[in-house]
Amino acid sequence: LAKTTQPISMDSYEGQEVNITCSHNNIATNDYITWYQQFPSQGPRFIIQGYKTKVTNEVASLFIPADRKSSTLSLPRVSLSDTAVYYCLVGHFSGNTPLVFGKGTRLSVIA
Amino acid sequence: NAGVMQNPRHLVRRRGQEARLRCSPMKGHSHVYWYRQLPEEGLKFMVYLQKENIIDESGMPKERFSAEFPKEGPSILRIQQVVRGDSAAYFCASSVGQGQTYEQYFGPGTRLTVT
Repeated sequence: LAKTTQPISMDSYEGQEVNITCSHNNIATNDYITWYQQFPSQGPRFIIQGYKTKVTNEVASLFIPADRKSSTLSLPRVSLSDTAVYYCLVGHFSGNTPLVFGKGTRLSVIA
Repeated sequence: NAGVMQNPRHLVRRRGQEARLRCSPMKGHSHVYWYRQLPEEGLKFMVYLQKENIIDESGMPKERFSAEFPKEGPSILRIQQVVRGDSAAYFCASSVGQGQTYEQYFGPGTRLTVT
């Protein structure tokens, strides 16, 4: 499994765009990049998944450069309710394989 | 359609007692995963079960921990003779057993405190 590195914590003001970068230098050809969000006292929740270039959904965007050695989760106009831990997962996961979590990035949104 | 349910949400046990954590997967899901999360850490995989079968228990401690997912009823994670180091949040996730990563759904967790 590819090792991932992401910032331990980030602070942002409400209304700003937040970009969280994850490094995964030894990503394998068939690995996907998946981001999960975990609110305090809750289980993780899937946010977005991508393989290359750009993926966008109603929650976030995921930017993946051509070499795929890093990826950036972009949260537009964050609110206080976006305060959570964000995990970058890299691997060939599926509905029937265990997920591998790192320590994640603790995002604090300030009013 | 109810999500993954776990109970109890909070459990306090004295050292040496047994802890039983229950997980009811989403309707139609036959695959269950248990993860443990220590404070300020990410989730660590413990065990993966299908109905009546343990598929992967590579993350389970060799002693005192066991898990089951019977044909009827919830999946149960059992910790015998608990120690303070077992204090953690235990999360269960379920899936239909195929498809994409985002088809794994997590419950709210059980927070175990060993005194």
